Formats: sequence, C-alpha cells, structure tokens
Amino acid sequence: DTAVSQTPKYLVTQMGNDKSIKCEQNLGHDTMYWYKQDSKKFLKIMFSYNNKELIINETVPNRFSPKSPDKAHLNLHINSLELGDSAVYFCASSQDWGQEETQYFGPGTRLLVL
Amino acid sequence: QQQVKQSPQSLIVQKGGISIINCAYENTAFDYFPWYQQFPGKGPALLIAIRPDVSEKKEGRFTISFNKSAKQFSLHIMDSQPGDSATYFCAASPPFGFHEKLTFGTGTRLTIIP
Repeated sequence: DTAVSQTPKYLVTQMGNDKSIKCEQNLGHDTMYWYKQDSKKFLKIMFSYNNKELIINETVPNRFSPKSPDKAHLNLHINSLELGDSAVYFCASSQDWGQEETQYFGPGTRLLVL
Repeated sequence: QQQVKQSPQSLIVQKGGISIINCAYENTAFDYFPWYQQFPGKGPALLIAIRPDVSEKKEGRFTISFNKSAKQFSLHIMDSQPGDSATYFCAASPPFGFHEKLTFGTGTRLTIIP
C-alpha cells in the first residue's frame, strides 16, 4: 500500500531521447509536485498541481512537460534529453495547497542520460 | 540564489552525542520552517517543523531552535543513534498566498558512529 509511487525507479537513456516518468498517489491528496535532486543532493521544486491545475511552474526548460490526468496522477514528460537532466526526480503530494501541508515524497526516479 | 543556506555539508557524531545542523535564510517573508529527513534510496520525509512565533520546538529527541532576529534556525538531535544516519534538509516557506513553495537547504549528511 505505497502512498506515493513512481515508475520507473531507474531510467538510463541516450541524449536526445524522449522519456516519461509516472507518479501516482493513493492518499486522496489534492496537490502533487515534481522535484529535481541533483548530484549534490540539492532539492528544487519544478512543478506543482492542485486539483489538476498547474500552480507552480519554476524556471524549467520547456522540454519538461507535466501532465495531470486526474488528482491521483502527475506524470513528467521530458523531450530531447540532455546530459544535465541526469538527476533523481521526486514526486510528492500533500493533502491540499498550503504552507503547512506535509509533503509526502515518492521513492524517486534515478535518471541517467548518456 | 541560495535563499536557505545550510551547514555543515556533512557531520559525523558519536552515538549518544548531540548532532547540530544549522540553517540561515534571507527572505524575511519566510514564516514556516520544516526539516526533512532522507534515508539513502528514499524520498525525504517530514521530521519536525516550526513557525517563528516560538523559539523552540521539541519532539522526542529532535529539537528546532529558532532565532528570528538572526534569521537562523537549527536542528538538534539529542542522544544520536546510528538509525539517525541520513541526509537532513531544512526548508522555508512564505505565507499562504505568496507562492508558498518550499525552498530547501543544500542538505547535511549525518553519520552516527558507534
């Protein structure tokens, strides 16, 4: 009964390819997030959706496109992958959109671009 | 720009000792400060959080100390145990309505040795 799940866990691909990462939460939460954690462990928010509506869109290349088909899912599609995209991508969710909402993180997807 | 600065980058503490991790922030609009704990291969998980209307918050062996005038806050882990070995992230968020995304510090890798 995983709360926030991501697939795949590992992703190794060539530069220039297009790939997707899927995220699902079974907590009944209204808000979902994508974070990028680089090799130095720096964790930075990329996107946030509340009730399927985009509410945070950080300065992320437009090669990254999130899609939320429903409140329980937030997928991340990446076009034309670059070496610098190599990182761990975390999906998270919270009950609602708000400052004190606890964010529950998934296990991460380790992306390596060769 | 690094809005939340965290130190040290890594920390080794003997079992039973006190682990102290420090964070400093620049944005005076921040008014919510959580700490997240991340074990290897896992996503971060909320550990403890504080608002600036109190100078200290304690939960079990974990204590946050907050100094509003200095714009600093710290995590103290009393009686540190090997199971506490993890990466710790401080974070900060502005009030509701001000794009209250979490801004994370750069993380501290804590190792507790027997």
